[in-house]
Amino acid sequence: QVRLIQSGAEVKTPGSSVKVSCRAAGGVFTSKTINWLRQAPGQGLEWLGSVIPFLGSTDYAPDFQDRVTISADRYTATAYMEMRSLRSEDTAIYYCATGIIPSTAPSRVGYFDTWGQGTLVAASS
Amino acid sequence: QMTQSPSSLSASVGDRITITCQASRDISNLLNWYQQRPGKAPRLLIYDVSNLQAGVPSRFSGSGSGTDFTLTINKVQPEDVATYFCQQYESLTSFGQGTRLEIK
Repeated sequence: QVRLIQSGAEVKTPGSSVKVSCRAAGGVFTSKTINWLRQAPGQGLEWLGSVIPFLGSTDYAPDFQDRVTISADRYTATAYMEMRSLRSEDTAIYYCATGIIPSTAPSRVGYFDTWGQGTLVAASS
Repeated sequence: QMTQSPSSLSASVGDRITITCQASRDISNLLNWYQQRPGKAPRLLIYDVSNLQAGVPSRFSGSGSGTDFTLTINKVQPEDVATYFCQQYESLTSFGQGTRLEIK
């Protein structure tokens, strides 16, 4: 199973942007999707979107369509999540995770079988 | 929308516990379960209702279909202290609010 290594914690001011990276240890992406999720302090999990590294195609949750860009560089086996116009309520731990899409899935989301260690993004003035 | 119950529970080592997850509409078998130990990333336990992920102990099991699903832990162990989440992927994806398991 691939291991995912995320970039370090970020402290940002409201209104700014943040870009978090997720590298596949061993330097190779598999055919799985790379997903980004977040978890606010003491809260549940929220899916932001995903990318298929070999195609570059992306999907986004409607609430984040306008503020988040997910990308992947298959040559460096690194995925990225950029969030713009940060608000205090975006303070959370952001996770990348590989996804498997079963043939029965109605969209390009399935289950998340390997997770990165998480990156704390704090948006505070 | 996914509704889990209970929101928290306390069990003794060796107990059998059940966590339920109810969907607001029929999601067929498109339901997964995750375990999140304190301070750690989530871990996939069960996919598509009842399929145990590789490396997950056999004391974990899942069942259900349509709108009602359960996660069962037979003979709870101290290392099972965690928060458990269900996830549907019938309509994009969303998670339940979590069930926190503690040991008495």
